[in-house]
Amino acid sequence: QVQLVQSGAEVKKPGSSVKVSCKASGGTFSSYAISWVRQAPGQGLEWMGGIIPIFGTANYAQKFQGRVTITTDESTSTAYMELSSLRSEDTAVYYCASQAAEYFQHWGQGTLVTVSS
Amino acid sequence: QSALTQPRSVSGSPGQSVTISCTGTSSDVGGYNYVSWYQQHPGKAPKLMIYDVSKRPSGVPDRFSGSKSGNTASLTISGLQAEDEADYYCCSYAGSYNVVFGGGTKLTVL
Repeated sequence: QVQLVQSGAEVKKPGSSVKVSCKASGGTFSSYAISWVRQAPGQGLEWMGGIIPIFGTANYAQKFQGRVTITTDESTSTAYMELSSLRSEDTAVYYCASQAAEYFQHWGQGTLVTVSS
Repeated sequence: QSALTQPRSVSGSPGQSVTISCTGTSSDVGGYNYVSWYQQHPGKAPKLMIYDVSKRPSGVPDRFSGSKSGNTASLTISGLQAEDEADYYCCSYAGSYNVVFGGGTKLTVL
C-alpha cells in the first residue's frame, strides 16, 4: 500500500516560488507515476502535471507550462512540485497522487499554499 | 483542455439511486476507456471510487458503478447512504499524457 506524505503549509509573496514535497513509502517508487493536482478554495480539482520516476521526464498541463517543474529524487522516494511567479490565484491545496495507470490510486494529505502580500 | 461537464449538484433519499453524468469530447471521454471517479469529503483528499470506466478498487462498495456511452460517462450510486454525501469528480485521460477533471458534483443525501 503506497502512502504519500506531503510537506507543510506555505505562505508566499506574489512573484515568488514555492516547492512542495511528497515522500512515498510502500511499493516501488520507480514503478508508478506521480502527479500533482490542485484545488483552489471552493473549486474543483485541476491536474497540473506528472512524472514517471524511472524515466525522469515530466508532462505538464498546458496552463502551467513554463511555470511548474516536477522532479523526483529516487534515493529518498520523494517527488517535488515547484511553482514559480506565484499570484493570488495560485492559493490552493496542492495534492500529490500516485498513478499505476490512467487513474490516481493514492493521494497525499494535501499542502495549503497561500499567496498573499 | 476544457474541464469535463458535470451537474453542479444532485440529491437523493436514503436507499434511492442517483446518477452523476460527466460529458466530454471524442478527445477525452469518448476516445479512451480511462474514465475514473473520485469521492471527496470536506477537508479530505479525494478517494478513488471507479477506474477504467467501470472497475471498482478493492474496498469500494458494489453500490458504486460506472459506465460510458459515447462522450458521456456516468457514476451510479445505488442504495444511497448518509456517508455517500460528498463531492464527486470524474476524470479522463485526454491523450499525450494529459488528464482532465470534471468540475465536480455535490451529492446531497436528503
